[in-house]
Amino acid sequence: NAGVTQTPKFQVLKTGQSMTLQCAQDMNHNSMYWYRQDPGMGLRLIYYSASEGTTDKGEVPNGYNVSRLNKREFSLRLESAAPSQTSVYFCASSPLPGNRNYGYTFGSGTRLTVV
Amino acid sequence: AQKITQTQPGMFVQEKEAVTLDCTYDTSDQSYGLFWYKQPSSGEMIFLIYQGSYDEQNATEGRYSLNFQKARKSANLVISASQLGDSAMYFCAMSYLYGGSQGNLIFGKGTKLSVKP
Repeated sequence: NAGVTQTPKFQVLKTGQSMTLQCAQDMNHNSMYWYRQDPGMGLRLIYYSASEGTTDKGEVPNGYNVSRLNKREFSLRLESAAPSQTSVYFCASSPLPGNRNYGYTFGSGTRLTVV
Repeated sequence: AQKITQTQPGMFVQEKEAVTLDCTYDTSDQSYGLFWYKQPSSGEMIFLIYQGSYDEQNATEGRYSLNFQKARKSANLVISASQLGDSAMYFCAMSYLYGGSQGNLIFGKGTKLSVKP
């Protein structure tokens, strides 16, 4: 099915471990985003990539790095996981920033627990 | 900075009745888009409706309508004829249409809607 695919769906890490969350979209969208969702909070932007080859920090970038591997793929890396990074992570994509008809498509989320 | 406020952490509505979920936003920009998303207990984010800041008419999508009052900076979601399947978290979000951070969605904290049979 067309859309945004995130892997893994669930992950448990020990404090200090590293991991990469993968995201791929097959809709030929230019822009991709990583959000985190914590209890009682809306989604907060971690990093975004307006187009292939560019990445920028969002509201809560500390402790994360990203790579826009190609137009389809946008990965999120935790270099040294901390309990504060326990969250649900969503990847999203949109055709173009600024396009009034852009529809954001979200992945199904990755539930990450850091112990 | 953009800010989205949803003042109702939780709401109840009787099945088949209409319900309004409140959303106010704060921006000095003139070009922006407003979104509503539904998040059921399964966790996925489902797009419901979009309103552009220059749209003269309120957006409608089936049972969903957006009551857009630009001067008051409010974008309330109205769900008509509530169904049990409407029970979910609802998020209001906004994005600039132009500029350096264009396209980035800023979310409110959400409203949990429970539909009673």
